[in-house]
Amino acid sequence: EVQLLESGGNLVQPGGSLRLSCAASGFTFSSYVMTWVRQAPGMGLEWVSTILSSGDSTHYADSVKGRFTISRDNSKNMLFLQMNNLRDEDTAVYYCAKDQYSGTIGDAFDIWGQGTVVTVSS
Amino acid sequence: DIQMTQSPSTLSASVGDRVTITCRASQTINRWLAWYQQKPGKAPKLLMYAASTLQSGVPSRFSGSGFGTEFSLTISSLQPDDFATYYCQQYNDHAGSTFGQGTKLEIK
Repeated sequence: EVQLLESGGNLVQPGGSLRLSCAASGFTFSSYVMTWVRQAPGMGLEWVSTILSSGDSTHYADSVKGRFTISRDNSKNMLFLQMNNLRDEDTAVYYCAKDQYSGTIGDAFDIWGQGTVVTVSS
Repeated sequence: DIQMTQSPSTLSASVGDRVTITCRASQTINRWLAWYQQKPGKAPKLLMYAASTLQSGVPSRFSGSGFGTEFSLTISSLQPDDFATYYCQQYNDHAGSTFGQGTKLEIK
């Protein structure tokens, strides 16, 4: 079964850091572009960051650029999101998502994790 | 950045109704549009991709159409399981995807 499982969410103070992880299984992880999407309480979906299959190219939303870093370890089928200098407005459920097709750039997201909750508050 | 505008924000309907949700892109995205369904406390579920291609396992009462900047999702006969929030997403911009603000489909 194709599965994504996020972890690492927590309560953190403004200015703090957190590292989210996403464990992938059931597919050839190294062949797929991966993405983080977040959803603030009661709000819609917001694309956060995308990393290409090899890990050598990354993209970020303006709202997180310079503070968040996406990375992956293809040998361990893991996706990461390092979040620094966290702000109140980063409070959200963070989902990892898999591109629908391998070997392409720019696809719909066919598999999502269950999400991990990040709360930024003093 | 490409902006996505969905309408309506909220839609009240009854079981058996035919409903349509629209999504407009701020610039052409060809057919690179997806639709997702999300229920409270759950992750989004892919319904439709490439504007009009039904994802495997999704009931045929769901259909999509459009190209360029105007798109729509239609549910031909609402079932109780369909009451949820729906999002469109453009993936034409390889440097960053964007979602519409969502349409909450409520029971009338």
